[in-house]
Amino acid sequence: EVQLLESGGGLVQPGGSLRLSCAASGFTFSSYAMSWVRQAPGKGLEWVATISYSGGSTYYADSVKGRFTISRDSSKNTLYLQMNTLRAEDTAVYYCAKVAARTGTSSLCDYWGQGTLVTVSS
Amino acid sequence: QSVLTQPPSASGTPGQRVTISCSGGSSNIGSNNVNWYQQLPGTAPKLLIYSNNQRPSGVPDRLSGSKSGTSASLAISGLQSEDEADYYCAAWDDSLNGVVFGGGTKLTVL
Repeated sequence: EVQLLESGGGLVQPGGSLRLSCAASGFTFSSYAMSWVRQAPGKGLEWVATISYSGGSTYYADSVKGRFTISRDSSKNTLYLQMNTLRAEDTAVYYCAKVAARTGTSSLCDYWGQGTLVTVSS
Repeated sequence: QSVLTQPPSASGTPGQRVTISCSGGSSNIGSNNVNWYQQLPGTAPKLLIYSNNQRPSGVPDRLSGSKSGTSASLAISGLQSEDEADYYCAAWDDSLNGVVFGGGTKLTVL
């Protein structure tokens, strides 16, 4: 059974940093691309970033480019999202999702975690 | 403003058929597959339709997807109360080099 468990969310002040983690199990983590998707309170889904199966390619939404970094550690079956220079508009539930492809150029997320809430506020 | 355009709401009575549209452009729907996600209240999104018209295991055949040109649609027949949820379309965008989502459609079963 595929399981994705996010952690690391919490309250952070504007301008601060946070690192999210997503522990994956139930599939060959190193064979699939992975994505982060967020959802602000009461709003729709917004894609944040994707990393290819090898970590060699990364893709970012313009809204986070230069501030967020997606990475993966296949030895730990874990996906990360380093978030720097956080803004109030980054407040959202952040979902980790498995992409049903090796490359990152796909919108097909076949499994999702339950999400972790990030609140940016002073 | 989302790159993919969906109606904000849709509704129907039990047993009815409803469709949800998703309009995009040549760089996203026009050149890539469309996927649909269902989000029940308070839960994570779930893959509903992939590659325009394919159903994952466990998704009933009363749900179907289609794509034509730069538009796609999701159809739900035999509407049930458990279908009440938010529905999102998504596609890769070659110009933006990223995933684009529709704004979401809230389906109400009257």
